[in-house]
Amino acid sequence: SAVISQKPSRDICQRGTSLTIQCQVDSQVTMMFWYRQQPGQSLTLIATANQGSEATYESGFVIDKFPISRPNLTFSTLTVSNMSPEDSSIYLCSASWALNQPQHFGDGTRLSIL
Amino acid sequence: SQQGEEDPQALSIQEGENATMNCSYKTSINNLQWYRQNSGRGLVHLILIRSNEREKHSGRLRVTLDTSKKSSSLLITASRAADTASYFCATITNFGNEKLTFGTGTRLTIIP
Repeated sequence: SAVISQKPSRDICQRGTSLTIQCQVDSQVTMMFWYRQQPGQSLTLIATANQGSEATYESGFVIDKFPISRPNLTFSTLTVSNMSPEDSSIYLCSASWALNQPQHFGDGTRLSIL
Repeated sequence: SQQGEEDPQALSIQEGENATMNCSYKTSINNLQWYRQNSGRGLVHLILIRSNEREKHSGRLRVTLDTSKKSSSLLITASRAADTASYFCATITNFGNEKLTFGTGTRLTIIP
């Protein structure tokens, strides 16, 4: 299985600012994903991070608000832009070697917006 | 939107008892997966069961799948305090969009 390192683990930010979350995988993976999870709730997929091309966003999520980079097969970043209190959540990165295969998750970034 | 709904939402049992969680989903699937999430941590994959399989075991875990009823169950036998966590089912559909869609989750508490 893959080890996923995500940082920062938590942050408290001012509204209107932006934060970039990093996700590092200890081996090359085909697929990387970004999710959002409200405490005590289920996970919602934000986007699939594609290596060498633009991310694929789910309905309700747009690139201007959540720009994603994936420069290689082991690393991805998610930026939460122009943050508001509604963006307070847990953001999780995951990775998989293939479609239809299990995903491996980082421990998440707990983000609070004041 | 949620593909799966889990039942019960919360479950408390005594250590040593068996815990059963159920997951229902709406559309045809390629496979169904179960994940565990300990408080403050990421998700850990437990078992993947394909649409042509009916039952799968891993240690103290037993997963069943009934595609005719669009439902699955996760049984944890001889529960331990360390099993306290949230458990999520997740499905991948057959529609070419192979994203993983998570259920609502069951919060399991094992009472020592």
